[in-house]
Amino acid sequence: QVQLMQSGSEVKKPGASVKVSCKASGYKFTNFGISWVRQAPGQGLEWMGWIAPDNTYRKSSQKVQGRLTVTSDTLTNTAYMELRSLRSDDTAVYFCARTGVTGEDWFDPWGQGTLVTVSS
Amino acid sequence: QSVLTQPPSASATPGQRVTISCAGSRSNIGSNPVNWYQQLPGAAPKLLIYSNHQRPSGVHDRFSASKLGTSASLAISELQSEDEADYYCAAWDDSLGGFYVFGSGTTVTVL
Repeated sequence: QVQLMQSGSEVKKPGASVKVSCKASGYKFTNFGISWVRQAPGQGLEWMGWIAPDNTYRKSSQKVQGRLTVTSDTLTNTAYMELRSLRSDDTAVYFCARTGVTGEDWFDPWGQGTLVTVSS
Repeated sequence: QSVLTQPPSASATPGQRVTISCAGSRSNIGSNPVNWYQQLPGAAPKLLIYSNHQRPSGVHDRFSASKLGTSASLAISELQSEDEADYYCAAWDDSLGGFYVFGSGTTVTVL
């Protein structure tokens, strides 16, 4: 079945970077893009960015632009999200989700989520 | 502050119908399909409705949705206890170079 498996929880200090992985299985990786969404404790969903299946195109939200890098490895069917210069308000559960080739479509399925805690 | 506005909460007794509204603008709902996600407590979100009113395989037909102009709505009929969750509308927004936007979320409580 189609599945996205994310890496484990992380604890980082302010100013550090975090890299979260998202390994896809059960479908042709190069036919779909991957989007990243985060959810701060007790808050709603916030879109962060998207990468095209062949790494040729990517978008990120204005809020994290300049600090976010999204990449994908078509050899291992794995997408990555790296967030730099972490702040306390980056503490959240980070989700990856499969989406269309333009990033404008629905998200299905979602990974299980990765908790990133930023604390000194 | 979310670009798509939803009521923070909705409730009904088992067997009743509950409706959730989602208000947007011309650049998002007015121009692009609306999708809905269900998030059960402690779980990852799950696609509930795509392309305004389409149900993915496995989603019960008690869930239905529609779109009109710059607004959309999700209806849950024959409400059941397992429907207690957060519900989010979402759409692509064509402004500012393009970005995906979620609604503020609605918590559905089964009384």
